[in-house]
Amino acid sequence: GAVVSQHPSRVICKSGTSVKIECRSLDFQATTMFWYRQFPKQSLMLMATSNEGSKATYEQGVEKDKFLINHASLTLSTLTVTSAHPEDSSFYICSASGLAADHSYNEQFFGPGTRLTVL
Amino acid sequence: GENVEQHPSTLSVQEGDSAVIKCTYSDSASNYFPWYKQELGKRPQLIIDIRSNVGEKKDQRIAVTLNKTAKHFSLHITETQPEDSAVYFCAASPGGSYIPTFGRGTSLIVHP
Repeated sequence: GAVVSQHPSRVICKSGTSVKIECRSLDFQATTMFWYRQFPKQSLMLMATSNEGSKATYEQGVEKDKFLINHASLTLSTLTVTSAHPEDSSFYICSASGLAADHSYNEQFFGPGTRLTVL
Repeated sequence: GENVEQHPSTLSVQEGDSAVIKCTYSDSASNYFPWYKQELGKRPQLIIDIRSNVGEKKDQRIAVTLNKTAKHFSLHITETQPEDSAVYFCAASPGGSYIPTFGRGTSLIVHP
């Protein structure tokens, strides 16, 4: 399958600082990337859908001014957690989407995730 | 929108037993049903998927069945091994440009 990388793999920061997470599709062009948040022992919760060259679409309850998403190219999307607080500590996972060969459905390829800890 | 229910939330089996995880979905337009395995602290990995024109698909010890009329699909793992221990997520997608909606996950524990 396709390869999606994510950087950094883990980050520890102080409360009030901003953290940027990068998501890259390494071997295919992803017109759409997704950002998920996962708390311990819980499912993947979609935060936003990011389309190259346009504004991200945020899910209900997700603050767009706090979670800034930029999708500047077909291979890179970034998530910036602004003014991070301890409650933002979580596992953030991106995925990149591409159409299957027969164009009948979207395949999703997940990044390895970023463990954010806000002190 | 789509709503995916997954049961059970936790499943504990002995090595060698079979494990079954069940999911239901609400959107009759969904036509793609992937299953993901996620080990602790790692990314979800696609293990098997099924499309609506197929009722059953098998890959070695893993099989998935789909009942479109009843809107439910299941994951079957036979001859379970300790390395099968992980969280399994089902998902349903209307296909095209839509993205999957995930179930809440099932924590499978296989005891040696």
